[in-house]
Amino acid sequence: GAGVSQSPRYKVTKRGQDVALRCDPISGHVSLYWYRQALGQGPEFLTYFNYEAQQDKSGLPNDRFSAERPEGSISTLTIQRTEQRDSAMYRCASSLASPDSPEKLFFGSGTQLSVL
Amino acid sequence: QKEVEQDPGPLSVPEGAIVSLNCTYSNSAFQYFMWYRQYSRKGPELLMYTYSSGNKEDGRFTAQVDKSSKYISLFIRDSQPSDSATYLCAMSANTGGFKTIFGAGTRLFVKA
Repeated sequence: GAGVSQSPRYKVTKRGQDVALRCDPISGHVSLYWYRQALGQGPEFLTYFNYEAQQDKSGLPNDRFSAERPEGSISTLTIQRTEQRDSAMYRCASSLASPDSPEKLFFGSGTQLSVL
Repeated sequence: QKEVEQDPGPLSVPEGAIVSLNCTYSNSAFQYFMWYRQYSRKGPELLMYTYSSGNKEDGRFTAQVDKSSKYISLFIRDSQPSDSATYLCAMSANTGGFKTIFGAGTRLFVKA
């Protein structure tokens, strides 16, 4: 497809389980971002990559959260030992990140995570 | 203090009204200023962007940036019911892969 693809669309898990959220960016996009969005709030920055390099992970809440983009394309956000407070919409975005183009982010549909 | 502050609203206006949406920020390194529109259950979509200070107009939409006051605005003229959405301001220190920080979003309702 032409857009940013995220899977799964919905994820329900029990507290203490690990989850892996996948993002497939638009082909050729250099930058890939992970955001978390609570209901009625704006996207909260988690981390971003340029190619395979993780440039900034200052938004990751704690060390249970990690992300990788090993080949500079698909990315996985992993949450270990999930807690109820982790429940949210997790959104991935990608961008060309060229000098001529401001940071136009293209967002995926998101993964709605529910931790029971 | 959050880096970007935005009144969450909701803001309800009649069709045809002029709408003013605003954000303030604290990080003077921000150079790119964007407005995203987000419909219910959808991801945000870029509406407009402005580099540094100044105005930018696109149809019924005008974006303004005042870096000296660390204040940005989005004006919508002749508002339509289809404009009903959440409007998110966003800011970035640079292009080339620098992180974009979003405001909380303002929910706008335009009544027919």
